[in-house]
Amino acid sequence: DAKTTQPPSMDCAEGRAANLPCNHSTISGNEYVYWYRQIHSQGPQYIIHGLKNNETNEMASLIITEDRKSSTLILPHATLRDTAVYYCIVRAWNTGNQFYFGTGTSLTVIP
Amino acid sequence: DTAVSQTPKYLVTQMGNDKSIKCEQNLGHDTMYWYKQDSKKFLKIMFSYNNKELIINETVPNRFSPKSPDKAHLNLHINSLELGDSAVYFCASRKGVSDNSPLHFGNGTRLTVT
Repeated sequence: DAKTTQPPSMDCAEGRAANLPCNHSTISGNEYVYWYRQIHSQGPQYIIHGLKNNETNEMASLIITEDRKSSTLILPHATLRDTAVYYCIVRAWNTGNQFYFGTGTSLTVIP
Repeated sequence: DTAVSQTPKYLVTQMGNDKSIKCEQNLGHDTMYWYKQDSKKFLKIMFSYNNKELIINETVPNRFSPKSPDKAHLNLHINSLELGDSAVYFCASRKGVSDNSPLHFGNGTRLTVT
């Protein structure tokens, strides 16, 4: 599985969009990008995933660059409850490869 | 309804004891996992089962023995507990093993070994 690089921490003002970057420059063609978050020792929560097209759901949007070497998770209107550690993971869909979690980005939403 | 549920939520025990953690998922998924999150918050996969068959064992000591009585349950038994086993253990499930379905996690079991 390709490795990912994320900034260790970020701040975002409440009500503003939070844009969390992830670099995955060695991603392969069969690898999806997944985003999870973990709110203070709760179980990691699935947010969104995509292969090459941009994706949107009720929680967030995922923007993947055309070369697929990086992506951005967008929380459109951050709230205090979005304060969490956000993990970007790449994984090949058609193999038995596992989900390996890195150190993630600790997002703090500031009132 | 809780999708992936673990019991107990907290477990405090002494070194040398044997303990079990239970996990159940009601999502109809075929694949289940155990992850360990240590004090440094690093989340590491331990085991993976698909349709009751072990498919991944990530060099976990054999004091840890997972058991899957059916595909909705994956329990974790730990023998001769050590201080270093103190961690939060998360159960997870997903639809298949070779598809793009995401993982769904339980809320964890915090194990403290004294």
